[in-house]
Amino acid sequence: ETGVTQSPTHLIKTRGQQVTLRCSSQSGHNTVSWYQQALGQGPQFIFQYYREEENGRGNFPPRFSGLQFPNYSSELNVNALELDDSALYLCASSLGGGALNTEAFFGQGTRLTVV
Amino acid sequence: DQQVKQNSPSLSVQEGRISILNCDYTNSMFDYFLWYKKYPAEGPTFLISISSIKDKNEDGRFTVFLNKSAKHLSLHIVPSQPGDSAVYFCASPSSVSGGGADGLTFGKGTHLIIQP
Repeated sequence: ETGVTQSPTHLIKTRGQQVTLRCSSQSGHNTVSWYQQALGQGPQFIFQYYREEENGRGNFPPRFSGLQFPNYSSELNVNALELDDSALYLCASSLGGGALNTEAFFGQGTRLTVV
Repeated sequence: DQQVKQNSPSLSVQEGRISILNCDYTNSMFDYFLWYKKYPAEGPTFLISISSIKDKNEDGRFTVFLNKSAKHLSLHIVPSQPGDSAVYFCASPSSVSGGGADGLTFGKGTHLIIQP
């Protein structure tokens, strides 16, 4: 059973650029959630994908978008990067779409720095 | 919507003693709470949860207590060990209507330091 893996682990981008972060979900899991964790804060929910469709979204602007693929891996895309987008981006996989995230397994995160 | 507050950014406890981490919430309609533990350079790991039909849930050295009238929960670790040094997050589903599809709302976390 493989765990949740995220790539890259670290990334530096310039303000205004676009970035794509990737997540491979745990074997057998069909749901992926993305979170942003700013320094000194708890993770903040961005959105969730279930069976390739976005089925829940937090308070993030449309320049944050995502995809889920048939193998349930996922991408987080952020356009027009701003300095405040600098954060740790966490992916969590689970089974069951709208079910509680009781058994959500997190990846190690991608540290994004926007300069 | 739910707000989850952890008012202690850090806590230092001697090895072998009890660690008590606290969490307050705002919306009593929510009935499920989780604790996650996070080491540096790793993602959060699920630790223990509690449903509002209970006021206590125990798993080995970890016990979570829920006080619904005070909208307060606490995590007790007994005895505390050096490996328990980490950041602990309290979390709850973000909305009643959306269930898990609206993700979890996390507190800011408490950095627990276990001193030898």
